[in-house]
Amino acid sequence: DVKVTQSSRYLVKRTGEKVFLECVQDMDHENMFWYRQDPGLGLRLIYFSYDVKMKEKGDIPEGYSVSREKKERFSLILESASTNQTSMYLCASSWVGYGYTFGSGTRLTVV
Amino acid sequence: GNSVTQMEGPVTLSEEAFLTINCTYTATGYPSLFWYVQYPGEGLQLLLKATKADDKGSNKGFEATYRKETTSFHLEKGSVQVSDSAVYFCALSGSGGSNYKLTFGKGTLLTVNP
Repeated sequence: DVKVTQSSRYLVKRTGEKVFLECVQDMDHENMFWYRQDPGLGLRLIYFSYDVKMKEKGDIPEGYSVSREKKERFSLILESASTNQTSMYLCASSWVGYGYTFGSGTRLTVV
Repeated sequence: GNSVTQMEGPVTLSEEAFLTINCTYTATGYPSLFWYVQYPGEGLQLLLKATKADDKGSNKGFEATYRKETTSFHLEKGSVQVSDSAVYFCALSGSGGSNYKLTFGKGTLLTVNP
């Protein structure tokens, strides 16, 4: 089975900190995605990548950046964490035209 | 652009009841359609999918049929169990080009009581 591993299940960070969320997949998938999930808003796409060093903005990229130096790893970076970035963050990977495989999520709290 | 509308929850049922969660979509071309399930404290798991009109996806007793004429992909199960309690998301991926992104509905919380 494809595995998508997110490095932390729970994180607590202070306002203004630089935060790194890591995601690794083990099936050579081309596409990787970062979503945030909030009650009443569903899943919202932050950034995605369809190849190494390639990235595209999703629907809510403000305050975030990403890095994809290797095919299996896709990092989400909060340049200066703010309380409105408290959320569940979900990473996913896929082949073109197929459904996603999701990680277990990272619940980030910014205090 | 693409969009997915699914019925608002929460939905509360008794064990062995019949389940329907409605999902309709707007998309150009011929999208693929998916249902995902999220159990408490976990990420999303693919439940079933359909890639062309009139296809029926099925898994774990759940079914959904891709209806192009009504742009719908309703999720059904004949007899729900307590273990089916979860959030269910309908999603679509566009056809061709860079349309490999999934567009999700807002999710429907299902609670099944014994």
